[in-house]
Amino acid sequence: DAMVIQNPRYQVTQFGKPVTLSCSQTLNHNVMYWYQQKSSQAPKLLFHYYDKDFNNEADTPDNFQSRRPNTSFCFLDIRSPGLGDAAMYLCATSRVSERNIDTQYFGPGTRLTVL
Amino acid sequence: GQNIDQPTEMTATEGAIVQINCTYQTSGFNGLFWYQQHAGEAPTFLSYNVLDGLEEKGRFSSFLSRSKGYSYLLLKELQMKDSASYLCAVADSNYQLIWGAGTKLIIKP
Repeated sequence: DAMVIQNPRYQVTQFGKPVTLSCSQTLNHNVMYWYQQKSSQAPKLLFHYYDKDFNNEADTPDNFQSRRPNTSFCFLDIRSPGLGDAAMYLCATSRVSERNIDTQYFGPGTRLTVL
Repeated sequence: GQNIDQPTEMTATEGAIVQINCTYQTSGFNGLFWYQQHAGEAPTFLSYNVLDGLEEKGRFSSFLSRSKGYSYLLLKELQMKDSASYLCAVADSNYQLIWGAGTKLIIKP
């Protein structure tokens, strides 16, 4: 019973060629997150959506964009991938209210290779 | 600044007990999470502590001391499948998770 689904699991792209990663959830969680994780490093938050409100982290490069067309789906667009963007991209969801935080549930990740 | 510290790597023997420590300095505190991450896979939730004390869940236990900014994850009766990275994450005043870099646990027979 997959709850957070990411496609594709592996993505190979060429330097500078745009790529889109997708995430969908069946948990009906109001918050969706995109993380970048490189080997042996902590996940780095790129952005998150609190309902429809988009929140960009201050140090997320402009090369990264995101869309959330509805509650269930979220996309990560990398406009011009560089070699340094090769990483695992993790989508997570949670239920957050003003006074409560729930566990973040992660999808299996998309491993991006840039040639 | 916000900071999460945990050891980079630990080694333990199958069947033994290991304690992975985490210290944190964050702007606000709304709970501490422990996640397990096998190589090449996504993190999976292990535990959540928001009050001081010990939470036990099978072979895994997690402890929190808010006054000391300290937590530990205790793994008992270690199995080879417990070889993984263990990530400590703290929810700050904005309910954002601040992540540690993870502790790679190596289990030897």
